[in-house]
Amino acid sequence: NAGVTQTPKFQVLKTGQSMTLQCAQDMNHEYMSWYRQDPGMGLRLIHYSVGAGITDQGEVPNGYNVSRSTTEDFPLRLLSAAPSQTSVYFCASSSPGDTQYFGPGTRLTVL
Amino acid sequence: EDQVTQSPEALRLQEGESSSLNCSYTVSGLRGLFWYRQDPGKGPEFLFTLYSAGEEKEKERLKATLTKKESFLHITAPKPEDSATYLCAVPPSGAGSYQLTFGKGTKLSVIP
Repeated sequence: NAGVTQTPKFQVLKTGQSMTLQCAQDMNHEYMSWYRQDPGMGLRLIHYSVGAGITDQGEVPNGYNVSRSTTEDFPLRLLSAAPSQTSVYFCASSSPGDTQYFGPGTRLTVL
Repeated sequence: EDQVTQSPEALRLQEGESSSLNCSYTVSGLRGLFWYRQDPGKGPEFLFTLYSAGEEKEKERLKATLTKKESFLHITAPKPEDSATYLCAVPPSGAGSYQLTFGKGTKLSVIP
C-alpha cells in the first residue's frame, strides 16, 4: 500500500493563478480531509469528506473548493491564489472510528 | 469553543533525560485524543489514540496517558532520533475523527 499520496510536492504560483492539489489513498478509507499548516498556527482543517459525493467545510474553507467523485481521490482546488494561501497542505484519510493517516504534504508558495 | 493547548512550545533534553509533554483540551464528550509525531518536511505520523480517563498506551520510549482535562506524553531516556514535533489533536464536540482540532505542537530536541 502506498497509503496517502499527494502531488505535487512543491509549487510556486503567482497571485490570481488557479491550481489543483491532488490527493489519493489506496486504503479504501471513507473519510478524507485537507489541512493547512502555518508557522505558529498549527494544522487547520480546510474541507473534509465522509464519502464519495459528500463534502463539507472545515475551519478555513474560503478560497478553496473540493469534490469527491471517487473513494480514492480528494482534490483541493485553489480558484484564485493569494499570498495568504502560502502554506503546507496535508491530506489525510481514515475509516470510521479510526485515526487519520496523513500524506507527505504539498508546499505551496504564492507570489 | 473547543481548544487544544500544548506545552511547552519547545523542549531541549540531554540524551537519557526523561520528561513529559502536556496537552490540555476543552471539549465535551471526548471521542478520542490523538498523538502524532512530525519530522521536518513530512506529514504527521500517528502514535496513539486515547479514549477514556486513566487509559495509558506505550510505544518504545513513549507513554501516553489521559485524564479528564489533559494528556501527557512521557518520554523515558530519550535518544536523538526522538527529536521531532509532537502534536496532539481531538475531534470537536459531536464531530468525528476526520475533523481534528490540533494543538500547535511541542518541538522536542534531544542532544547527544
